[in-house]
Amino acid sequence: GQNIDQPTEMTATEGAIVQINCTYQTSGFNGLFWYQQHAGEAPTFLSYNVLDGLEEKGRFSSFLSRSKGYSYLLLKELQMKDSASYLCAVKLGSNTGKLIFGQGTTLQVKP
Amino acid sequence: ETGVTQTPRHLVMGMTNKKSLKCEQHLGHNAMYWYKQSAKKPLELMFVYNFKEQTENNSVPSRFSPECPNSSHLFLHLHTLQPEDSALYLCASSQEPVVGNTIYFGEGSWLTVV
Repeated sequence: GQNIDQPTEMTATEGAIVQINCTYQTSGFNGLFWYQQHAGEAPTFLSYNVLDGLEEKGRFSSFLSRSKGYSYLLLKELQMKDSASYLCAVKLGSNTGKLIFGQGTTLQVKP
Repeated sequence: ETGVTQTPRHLVMGMTNKKSLKCEQHLGHNAMYWYKQSAKKPLELMFVYNFKEQTENNSVPSRFSPECPNSSHLFLHLHTLQPEDSALYLCASSQEPVVGNTIYFGEGSWLTVV
């Protein structure tokens, strides 16, 4: 079966750094996505990792270790608008966009 | 604006009604998807279409019937739904097979079955 785990909720303070972890056990692996989803809105793409290591994009970074089945999303200099759900998803095949999602981590940023 | 447009944004229907959800992508992609997002549950893949051909049906009940007339449009026809089918239905598109490509989601259609 497919299993993707991430914490259900996290709270952090404005200006701080937060790390959201994701572990996965899937039948295939062709990359890992992180999406941000504000309440009532579409998921929006944040990052994609297919090789081990760290990908940095401004305030957001994502890390992947394929041997450990582990990824994290790092958010720096947190802003109030970063309060949202963060979805970890694994792409199973190389010629399909089929994604298996974790349940999402709801992040609340407090002043 | 992600380039994937869904209508209607909100839909309330009775269990005996027939309605349809529509999705249109303006990105020139060749693959389209329907996902379901229920409260407290992960996003679940329902259907996959590549070049208008259905390549995956993720054990979805027959009361959900997809249609893909061309690579830019995707429909989800709904009939005799149950209250537990109330959820956010998300359409997505991507270009396959491309390594490192992004899958884009629409804003979703909120469905309430009464």
